Amino acid sequence: NAGVTQTPKFQVLKTGQSMTLQCAQDMNHEYMSWYRQDPGMGLRLIHYSVGAGITDQGEVPNGYNVSRSTTEDFPLRLLSAAPSQTSVYFCASSHRGLAEKLFFGSGTQLSVL
Amino acid sequence: GNSVTQMEGPVTLSEEAFLTINCTYTATGYPSLFWYVQYPGEGLQLLLKATKADDKGSNKGFEATYRKETTSFHLEKGSVQVSDSAVYFCALTPGGFKTIFGAGTRLFVKA
Repeated sequence: NAGVTQTPKFQVLKTGQSMTLQCAQDMNHEYMSWYRQDPGMGLRLIHYSVGAGITDQGEVPNGYNVSRSTTEDFPLRLLSAAPSQTSVYFCASSHRGLAEKLFFGSGTQLSVL
Repeated sequence: GNSVTQMEGPVTLSEEAFLTINCTYTATGYPSLFWYVQYPGEGLQLLLKATKADDKGSNKGFEATYRKETTSFHLEKGSVQVSDSAVYFCALTPGGFKTIFGAGTRLFVKA
């Protein structure tokens, strides 16, 4: 009954550090995505994947890297953290198809000092 | 381009009051429309959806009707409860795999 699992829940980084946010789903969903949530701006799409080995950029991809080596996992890498990347990050997944609902993880709250 | 505009919050209501949260959209083609809800400290979860014009989505007493002529998908509930306090997001999927979200509307319901 796990659904979409994100780790860690909280993280504090210094400017210039790198880190990876983990996301795993156990529903055999083809589609996975990363969003960031900022006050007054809703959720903005960072990167997404429609299957293992396939990734593409969303609305705000700069400063982030992704890969999809398995159906289950979709990690998000911050290459050199900046204060502008302070945000709450959500991973989401769904079956591949039109009008399919997104299943969200519980989020990672990231602060970059 | 594709976009979603929601009424700004917060919206504060007394228990049993009528709720309307306005949502309008801009999209090419025929998008699917969604309302998601986010409770404190949690991720978003689907509240309801509609996939074509004049469809009505409903769940837990909430309703929204897909109005193509006014490009709107307003969320309504006849009698809100304290437990409905949350942030509500209107969203659309324009036909690909990207879901586009509005900025969210925070609802506070007082006992």
